[in-house]
Amino acid sequence: GEDVEQSLFLSVREGDSSVINCTYTDSSSTYLYWYKQEPGAGLQLLTYIFSNMDMKQDQRLTVLLNKKDKHLSLRIADTQTGDSAIYFCAESSQGGKLIFGQGTELSVKP
Amino acid sequence: DAGVIQSPRHEVTEMGQEVTLRCKPISGHNSLFWYRQTMMRGLELLIYFNNNVPIDDSGMPEDRFSAKMPNASFSTLKIQPSEPRDSAVYFCASCGGASYNEQFFGPGTRLTVL
Repeated sequence: GEDVEQSLFLSVREGDSSVINCTYTDSSSTYLYWYKQEPGAGLQLLTYIFSNMDMKQDQRLTVLLNKKDKHLSLRIADTQTGDSAIYFCAESSQGGKLIFGQGTELSVKP
Repeated sequence: DAGVIQSPRHEVTEMGQEVTLRCKPISGHNSLFWYRQTMMRGLELLIYFNNNVPIDDSGMPEDRFSAKMPNASFSTLKIQPSEPRDSAVYFCASCGGASYNEQFFGPGTRLTVL
């Protein structure tokens, strides 16, 4: 079945770039997503990429997609303490339902 | 737009009691999703509706769980009887219209079953 894998933790210093990685198994995924969850809050859609693209940039966020290797990454430039949160990668499956990774907890140290 | 609205935000109940969670999707969205988030299992899709019709309920853990969508602006997720292992955060999400590929999540209902 479909599976999405992420590393669980990432720690960076304020001002550095953060790169969060994700691998997925479903080659028929049409869209791949990045969501952000702050403590006690719901999931906020950050950005998404269509499967026929290999890069998407949105302000400080850059998404890279390697469809051959089924690898997705999210780069956050100039990481700030307010970026500390859990980041979820997700792939869309049939009917639009999302399959989520376990989430990567990003810790930003001043 | 107010976004996806869920109620209650927190629910504490005793084992065996009936629990009803509510969701109002974003106006104009025709797809609605119920997810559950736990430390052990992460985010799991329970059921989703398209145009008020249940499309895939394969994620519903057992018969104690049921969901309805009587109209385009309201859905419920019911657990009867509730058990301690049902304790989790339950999220509702919706999509549709111009944002058909973007699921917007509600703030969630944190359920604790004692």
